Amino acid sequence: EAGVAQSPRYKIIEKRQSVAFWCNPISGHATLYWYQQILGQGPKLLIQFQNNGVVDDSQLPKDRFSAERLKGVDSTLKIQPAKLEDSAVYLCASSLGLEGLYGYTFGSGTRLTVV
Amino acid sequence: AQKVTQAQTEISVVEKEDVTLDCVYETRDTTYYLFWYKQPPSGELVFLIRRNSFDEQNEISGRYSWNFQKSTSSFNFTITASQVVDSAVYFCALSGRSTGANSKLTFGKGITLSVRP
Repeated sequence: EAGVAQSPRYKIIEKRQSVAFWCNPISGHATLYWYQQILGQGPKLLIQFQNNGVVDDSQLPKDRFSAERLKGVDSTLKIQPAKLEDSAVYLCASSLGLEGLYGYTFGSGTRLTVV
Repeated sequence: AQKVTQAQTEISVVEKEDVTLDCVYETRDTTYYLFWYKQPPSGELVFLIRRNSFDEQNEISGRYSWNFQKSTSSFNFTITASQVVDSAVYFCALSGRSTGANSKLTFGKGITLSVRP
């Protein structure tokens, strides 16, 4: 089966610019996650969707970050305006359901550099 | 709240040495899942193992073995006869069974393993 697709692979922007990332989960996976991984740290959940509804966005900086999953399939994560501290790898993951029983499949990530 | 602690930050060994990566977790769920992932320099997260809370049997897969002890809330990972290709960052992670936010995967900070030839 095809894996979780993410694009772009790399992105360099200046601070205060906007950027968007795209994720296409594995077909049939109802749950989709966006993680932020800052260099030297473990991934941190930004937002979790179940179909097209938000389950958890408690750690999403909502003043500058937004995410949507309109048709319950692919998803976009946007940052506007970007700050230097947003430099990180943004990982998308998907799962069949809400439980860890189903496991998680991660995409290759988008490496964002804000200069 | 869920928490994963990987107290070791960096480990350096010489090839063929055995090495153990420690993981301690906290959760209020009675059913939960523990994971180990490998992140090589290329950056992708490579799934290594999933263990549910009701299965305390240790597992061995080739040179890799995992020791799960509920009594100490630990899920340690041992690499036997380490190789240079084992050099990577290793993450321990936890997810609960309950619906909602606890179903997310919570990661530790990771352990950087360097295996020298």
